Amino acid sequence: GQNIDQPTEMTATEGAIVQINCTYQTSGFNGLFWYQQHAGEAPTFLSYNVLDGLEEKGRFSSFLSRSKGYSYLLLKELQMKDSASYLCAVQDNTDKLIFGTGTRLQVFP
Amino acid sequence: EAQVTQNPRYLITVTGKKLTVTCSQNMNHEYMSWYRQDPGLGLRQIYYSMNVEVTDKGDVPEGYKVSRKEKRNFPLILESPSPNQTSLYFCASSLYLAGAYEQYFGPGTRLTVT
Repeated sequence: GQNIDQPTEMTATEGAIVQINCTYQTSGFNGLFWYQQHAGEAPTFLSYNVLDGLEEKGRFSSFLSRSKGYSYLLLKELQMKDSASYLCAVQDNTDKLIFGTGTRLQVFP
Repeated sequence: EAQVTQNPRYLITVTGKKLTVTCSQNMNHEYMSWYRQDPGLGLRQIYYSMNVEVTDKGDVPEGYKVSRKEKRNFPLILESPSPNQTSLYFCASSLYLAGAYEQYFGPGTRLTVT
């Protein structure tokens, strides 16, 4: 079956760095997305990885290791507005997008 | 403004009363999709469409219908809603399915079936 695992909840302090992990087992791999979803709102795109390595975008970075079926999202200089759920989604070999259940991040002052 | 719109945003209905949730995008995207989001289960795909007149089942299609007669619109139809279809529904679109094309999500429709 297809499976994507993320921690359910994480907490961190304003100004700190947090790493949200995602492991996946899918029928093939054509890419991995990270989305941010604030409570009661729609998901919004954060990053995309298809090759191994780190993609940096301002305070957010995403890493991929295809051989390990593993990705992480790194958030630096945390702000209160970063409190949200972070969704890992994998495109399988039919390009279907499979979402994890999301990691709820709470940032405290 | 590039966007995906959904209507209604909130709906409370009774079992068996047919309803339609509309979805429209103004970005000329080919790919459109419907998801439902339930606590602990994440986003699950209901139906998707690669282009006009082309639709396919996702992971949880039972009890739903869709149509794609125009590129911009992708309505979700519940012919006979049941309480287990109480959920938060999102419509999404992207330029294409394959590749690094992010999906743009609508604001969501919170449906309660009593």
